[in-house]
Amino acid sequence: GAVVSQHPSWVICKSGTSVKIECRSLDFQATTMFWYRQFPKQSLMLMATSNEGSKATYEQGVEKDKFLINHASLTLSTLTVTSAHPEDSSFYICSASPSGPNNSPLHFGNGTRLTVT
Amino acid sequence: GQQLNQSPQSMFIQEGEDVSMNCTSSSIFNTWLWYKQDPGEGPVLLIALYKAGELTSNGRLTAQFGITRKDSFLNISASIPSDVGIYFCAGSNTGNQFYFGTGTSLTVIP
Repeated sequence: GAVVSQHPSWVICKSGTSVKIECRSLDFQATTMFWYRQFPKQSLMLMATSNEGSKATYEQGVEKDKFLINHASLTLSTLTVTSAHPEDSSFYICSASPSGPNNSPLHFGNGTRLTVT
Repeated sequence: GQQLNQSPQSMFIQEGEDVSMNCTSSSIFNTWLWYKQDPGEGPVLLIALYKAGELTSNGRLTAQFGITRKDSFLNISASIPSDVGIYFCAGSNTGNQFYFGTGTSLTVIP
């Protein structure tokens, strides 16, 4: 149980274009999902908290107008990287936990490798 | 955001040896998680800890929630080649918002 699916698994785009990444909870509902970014050989850095039906909460230093988050249903959150630049190239990973008690373990998608040329 | 200090940064051990790694934070956490990540994939949950002093096992893995609530430890006994990977701790003190450690890269030499 508690499967999180992320799509696409990799994407290459040209500088200046926008890319949308989807995160789905397959067998549970999640009022909250989380988006992380991971650079090579580094840890996961929390970018934002995606809240179903309301605005996302962004971590300090993360541009909300660049990383648009939409959490339209209890099983889907999307991250759109707008006007992508080469420095946005990274591994983006979403996570979620079943709605319920706080501090339930996070389950992660398999990540999306974004390369901006 | 917060980042937790994890040590050691990397380990090279012989197959069959035991492994210990730890994670420390300047903040108090209510929950500690331990994950393993293989290259190009998302982290996979190994152990979850919810109470100070708690000791939990998952097969050859044992993790402890430090009594100060500012640290956690992971031990792997009798390591095998498939234990290779990067191990991350993660802590939370509010909701399900977790912050990750810097990671420990484990190499097991057959």
